Amino acid sequence: QKEVEQDPGPLSVPEGAIVSLNCTYSNSAFQYFMWYRQYSRKGPELLMYTYSSGNKEDGRFTAQVDKSSKYISLFIRDSQPSDSATYLCAMIRSGNTPLVFGKGTRLSVIA
Amino acid sequence: EAQVTQNPRYLITVTGKKLTVTCSQNMNHEYMSWYRQDPGLGLRQIYYSMNVEATDKGDVPEGYKVSRKEKRNFPLILESPSPNQTSLYFCASSQGTATINEQFFGPGTRLTVL
Repeated sequence: QKEVEQDPGPLSVPEGAIVSLNCTYSNSAFQYFMWYRQYSRKGPELLMYTYSSGNKEDGRFTAQVDKSSKYISLFIRDSQPSDSATYLCAMIRSGNTPLVFGKGTRLSVIA
Repeated sequence: EAQVTQNPRYLITVTGKKLTVTCSQNMNHEYMSWYRQDPGLGLRQIYYSMNVEATDKGDVPEGYKVSRKEKRNFPLILESPSPNQTSLYFCASSQGTATINEQFFGPGTRLTVL
């Protein structure tokens, strides 16, 4: 079983929809959880970062971590065509260990 | 403008011809890293560096070399490229040495080895 699993999609939704993106992981040592967004022909950029179980909200984006289920989610409310990108989850065991990325989910928001 | 730059952005080469992809950051970051991104495999770390003269292997280091002689530069060297190294490469840097800090990625280098 891979350390981090993420459905690659593609996921296509109409503008205004609520989007749910998810990752599961197998290693309970992961402590820090991140979501990166990658536009076509660009490098990834950090979208959100959480440490503990629970929710964290930033504008239209909500990151959710459930450590007991080893499951993390990113919700996008009122999705816009500009949200069309690949979303990668990433996680770290401790401060000085490498990031482990999911494969990324490609999202298209159709106007 | 704070940024990570990579050169070249696109490169087509032949098997066995040594090449170097440069990476430079102007944010005075200690941590730098190289990744490759392949369809179906996602981002995988090749090498990373916690500081000058301190480099370490990531998940897929075979066939690659790096050096960190100056804080701002972290070149990726392919001594004898092979077709399985055809990929999209990203350099990244972050403040401090803790990898929990936000990593800033370069624009990517698309390498094709024939």
